[in-house]
Amino acid sequence: DAGVIQSPRHEVTEMGQEVTLRCKPISGHDYLFWYRQTMMRGLELLIYFNNNVPIDDSGMPEDRFSAKMPNASFSTLKIQPSEPRDSAVYFCASTRGVSEQYFGPGTRLTVT
Amino acid sequence: AQSVAQPEDQVNVAEGNPLTVKCTYSVSGNPYLFWYVQYPNRGLQFLLKYITGDNLVKGSYGFEAEFNKSQTSFHLKKPSALVSDSALYFCAVRAHNAGNMLTFGGGTRLMVKP
Repeated sequence: DAGVIQSPRHEVTEMGQEVTLRCKPISGHDYLFWYRQTMMRGLELLIYFNNNVPIDDSGMPEDRFSAKMPNASFSTLKIQPSEPRDSAVYFCASTRGVSEQYFGPGTRLTVT
Repeated sequence: AQSVAQPEDQVNVAEGNPLTVKCTYSVSGNPYLFWYVQYPNRGLQFLLKYITGDNLVKGSYGFEAEFNKSQTSFHLKKPSALVSDSALYFCAVRAHNAGNMLTFGGGTRLMVKP
């Protein structure tokens, strides 16, 4: 299995631009999670889906952030407009049921 | 609410010596407990988990962890450290009735010196 796939691996953008991060979970997994990692705040859960339905989005920082999962094999996290404080590494993870989560390699986002 | 504390930001150990990375948790009811490792510029990688049963859990790369309910701890251990074990380690907890949301600790950097 290829594992969780994220793209792009690195993204550099200017403040105010729209950013879209992409994730392909492991086939057969029914849960998908988006996390953000920063030095200051550590690893934060932003949102998670079960069977493509958002279950908990209480970690989404504000309305500038949105996430979708149109099908079982694809999810996006969008930031519009982006701000310098959004600079972080964003991870996608997936799992089947209540098992351990498998993380992707992350997208390093830099907003200038 | 559930929470995890990793009281040490960094642990230093000499290669060949035993290592311990500490984790304590707070959760309502019975916990699911996990350890993950993160190497530079990589995602988190699952090491081991405690769900139920034997308090001593064995995982990948020779790591093990002991669940202690009375002390609400789940310390990660390895009998003989390798330089290649140097990485960032995260403990995580989820209550049995808390959906599928993991709460992670702040991470502990393990430095193994030759």
